[in-house]
Amino acid sequence: GDSVTQMEGPVTLSEEAFLTINCTYTATGYPSLFWYVQYPGEGLQLLLKATKADDKGSNKGFEATYRKETTSFHLEKGSVQVSDSAVYFCALSDLQGAQKLVFGQGTRLTINP
Amino acid sequence: DTGVSQDPRHKITKRGQNVTFRCDPISEHNRLYWYRQTLGQGPEFLTYFQNEAQLEKSRLLSDRFSAERPKGSFSTLEIQRTEQGDSAMYLCASSFGVGEQPQHFGDGTRLSIL
Repeated sequence: GDSVTQMEGPVTLSEEAFLTINCTYTATGYPSLFWYVQYPGEGLQLLLKATKADDKGSNKGFEATYRKETTSFHLEKGSVQVSDSAVYFCALSDLQGAQKLVFGQGTRLTINP
Repeated sequence: DTGVSQDPRHKITKRGQNVTFRCDPISEHNRLYWYRQTLGQGPEFLTYFQNEAQLEKSRLLSDRFSAERPKGSFSTLEIQRTEQGDSAMYLCASSFGVGEQPQHFGDGTRLSIL
């Protein structure tokens, strides 16, 4: 079945550092790809998405590009802030049927001032 | 804008008891999903409703689990004869099922089995 593999955490960076969180996927079709973020004590929030190959999703300074040839959707941010500390989940959704989300295991990110 | 609402936020119960959770989706959303998230893991799909019809169930959803969505509005997830392994965060999400629409998540119900 479909699956998502994320870079293992936790990841700790200093403020203003460059961030990359790796995500690769396995799917039989052509899924849509997502990054969700979960702040402490809160539910998941959609951060960005891409629906087809070479699409770039972006939001709040974060970017990820749908790479079909490498089946990847790595999350990047040029300069992180303390407020970016959260757990980040990569996910895919098959466009057929339920369009349910398949999540990676999550990467906990801590930004130190 | 009212988001997805889940009740209760926390539930502590003894092993063997029955529990029921409620989810109120965003009002115009016809699709509703339940997921389960255990500590340190990503959410896993449990079941999906389109309007009032339950169209897909995961193999994770044992016979002790039942979900309903009467009238296509709110949904309930019931767990009978709870076990230690049922301890998890239960997440509800909803979306509008036309085209590629993102799922909006509630804050979840955290279940702890004593």
